[in-house]
Amino acid sequence: AQRVTQPEKLLSVFKGAPVELKCNYSYSGSPELFWYVQYSRQRLQLLLRHISRESIKGFTADLNKGETSFHLKKPFAQEEDSAMYYCALNSGGSNYKLTFGKGTLLTVNP
Amino acid sequence: NAGVTQTPKFRILKIGQSMTLQCTQDMNHNYMYWYRQDPGMGLKLIYYSVGAGITDKGEVPNGYNVSRSTTEDFPLRLELAAPSQTSVYFCASQTSTDTQYFGPGTRLTVL
Repeated sequence: AQRVTQPEKLLSVFKGAPVELKCNYSYSGSPELFWYVQYSRQRLQLLLRHISRESIKGFTADLNKGETSFHLKKPFAQEEDSAMYYCALNSGGSNYKLTFGKGTLLTVNP
Repeated sequence: NAGVTQTPKFRILKIGQSMTLQCTQDMNHNYMYWYRQDPGMGLKLIYYSVGAGITDKGEVPNGYNVSRSTTEDFPLRLELAAPSQTSVYFCASQTSTDTQYFGPGTRLTVL
C-alpha cells in the first residue's frame, strides 16, 4: 500500500539558515510527488511537483527513487516561509488520488 | 474566478443529525475530491469524482455519501453524525494535467 512519511512534526530554524523538510514514500508504481503548503489563514496550495523540476520561492525538491525520498530544501530560510508543509503522493494514477503525509510545521525565527 | 468554495465554514452537530457540506468550483474541472483532516494528521481522501455522474470511494468513505449531478457541485452528505466525524473537511478540484485546488475548509464538530 502507498504511504507518505514526514518524520518531523515540528521544525524550527533561524532566518537565513538552511532548511530541509523530509519526506519518504512507499509506492509500488512510478511515483508522482508533490509538496503542498498552508500558510496561516490561507488554503492549502501547491508549492512544487517533482515532474516540473522547478524552484518555487527558493524551494527545491529532488526525487530520489533509490532512497524513496522527496525532501524539500531551501538554502536560506525566510520568516515568511513559516507554514505547514505536506508531502503528497499521487497514488491513483489518472484519477489523481493524493496520499498525504501528516505534515511538518516549519517555524522560521527572526 | 472564485475557485473552490465551501459552505458552511463552521458547524456544530448533535450525534445522529445529518447535514450536507457544499462544494462548488467555477473552473470547469472534471476531477473533484473530498478530504478530511484530523488534528495532527494528514488529509485523508473520503470520496472523489472524475466527472458528472461518476463517483468513487476513497480511503475513509464510511459514514458519508456524495453525488455529482453537475460539473460544478460536489456535495458531501453525513447521514448520522458521530463524534468520530469531528474534523476539518476540504474539497478540491483539478483538471487532468494540473494541480489540485483546495477550498478553505469546513470545520465540523459533532457533540
